[in-house]
Amino acid sequence: DVKVTQSSRYLVKRTGEKVFLECVQDMDHENMFWYRQDPGLGLRLIYFSYDVKMKEKGDIPEGYSVSREKKERFSLILESASTNQTSMYLCASRTPGTPFSGNTIYFGEGSWLTVV
Amino acid sequence: GQNIDQPTEMTATEGAIVQINCTYQTSGFNGLFWYQQHAGEAPTFLSYNVLDGLEEKGRFSSFLSRSKGYSYLLLKELQMKDSASYLCAVSQDSNYQLIWGAGTKLIIKP
Repeated sequence: DVKVTQSSRYLVKRTGEKVFLECVQDMDHENMFWYRQDPGLGLRLIYFSYDVKMKEKGDIPEGYSVSREKKERFSLILESASTNQTSMYLCASRTPGTPFSGNTIYFGEGSWLTVV
Repeated sequence: GQNIDQPTEMTATEGAIVQINCTYQTSGFNGLFWYQQHAGEAPTFLSYNVLDGLEEKGRFSSFLSRSKGYSYLLLKELQMKDSASYLCAVSQDSNYQLIWGAGTKLIIKP
C-alpha cells in the first residue's frame, strides 16, 4: 500500500522558532512536494524536488527552505516561524510520468502548524 | 493568468445526484484531476481526464471539455460519507506541475 508519512500531525510553535516538518515516502518516488492549504485558497506549492539533492521553488517559497538528502525523505524548514505561517502543510510524492499516464500524486496526512 | 474556479460550497440530499463544476484557464494542459478530501485528512485521487468526454467509475463520473476549459464531477446515489471537499487540479505541459482550485465543500443532508 502507498504510504506518505508526515512526522507531526499537530504542532504549536512560538514566533521566531525554527520548525522542521519531516516527510517520508515508501514508494521510491522521484518527485516530492510541500504544499500549504488555507481556507479559500486551495493548495499552494512551496517547494518541490525532482530527485535527491534537487529542489525547486514553488509559488510561495519565501520564509521556507527544504532538504532532500535521501530519496525517501523531504524536509520542510521554517527558519524563523511567523504567525502568517499558521496553516496545514501537506507533503506529496509522485513518479514522473509521460503525458496521458495520469500519474497520481499521493499525499501525507497533513501537519497542522500553529505559530503563536 | 492561471486560474481554476469551482463553487465554494454545495448542498445535496442523500440518494440524489450532484454535479460539481470546474473551469480553468492555464498556460498549458496535460490533464485534469479530481481529488476528494475529508475534513482533517489528506486528499485522495478520484479521477483523471486528458481527452474530451466522460470517464465513469462506479458512482463517480468526470467530464472534460478542453475547448471550453471545463470539467465536472458527477456523484450519483449520494451517501453521507460523500460529505467532503472536492478539489479540481490541472496539470500543465511543462514539468507536470499542478494548479489547484480552492475546492468545493459538499454537504450531504439526510
